[in-house]
Amino acid sequence: EVQLVQSGAEVKEPGESLKISCKGSGYIFTNYWIGWVRQMPGKGLEWLGIIYPGDSDTRYSPSFQGQVTISVDKSISTAYLQWSGLKASDTAIYYCARSSGSYPYYFDSWGQGTLVTVSS
Amino acid sequence: QTVVTQEPSFSVSPGGTVTLTCGLTSGSVSTSYYPSWYQQTPGQAPRTLIYSTNTRSSGVPDRFSGSLLGNKAALTITGAQADDDSDYYCLLYLDSGISVFGGGTKLTVL
Repeated sequence: EVQLVQSGAEVKEPGESLKISCKGSGYIFTNYWIGWVRQMPGKGLEWLGIIYPGDSDTRYSPSFQGQVTISVDKSISTAYLQWSGLKASDTAIYYCARSSGSYPYYFDSWGQGTLVTVSS
Repeated sequence: QTVVTQEPSFSVSPGGTVTLTCGLTSGSVSTSYYPSWYQQTPGQAPRTLIYSTNTRSSGVPDRFSGSLLGNKAALTITGAQADDDSDYYCLLYLDSGISVFGGGTKLTVL
């Protein structure tokens, strides 16, 4: 069974850094893209970016390029989303999702989400 | 910047049929955009319903179907049930590995 298990909720202050994780299991981790999706409170889904664990090829939405960093440690089947200086507007639920095989056309499995709260 | 459009809200009676659409502010949606559809209920992670325009994800009831309708992608629910009361999002693959979600449709079944 494909599973994506995300790290727990975080509460941070503005300006702090943060790295959240997404561990895949039940499939060959290096063969499927992993994407990150943001959902701000009461709002819709936003596509942030995607990474291919096999070679760390990474693509970002133009809206989020430079705002977040996506990385992967394939030795432990884990993808990461990180910030170097959080803002209150980063408060949201962040989902990781597995994308379809060789091309990231759609998501077929989802993590449970990580709530990030940024407040002073 | 490409904007993906969806109806903000829709309502359907139990047992009825509803079609939600997914378009582009500029241009037409085709199979080359690999439209996919996701259902989300409050407090839950999204669930994949349809991918590559019209392929149902594993375990999805056949009352959900995907298609192209004119210049848009479409999700049709035939015989709506109470637990179809959810938010629905489409996702379009644009180019170079980049995708964009639509703003979502809040479907009310009543």
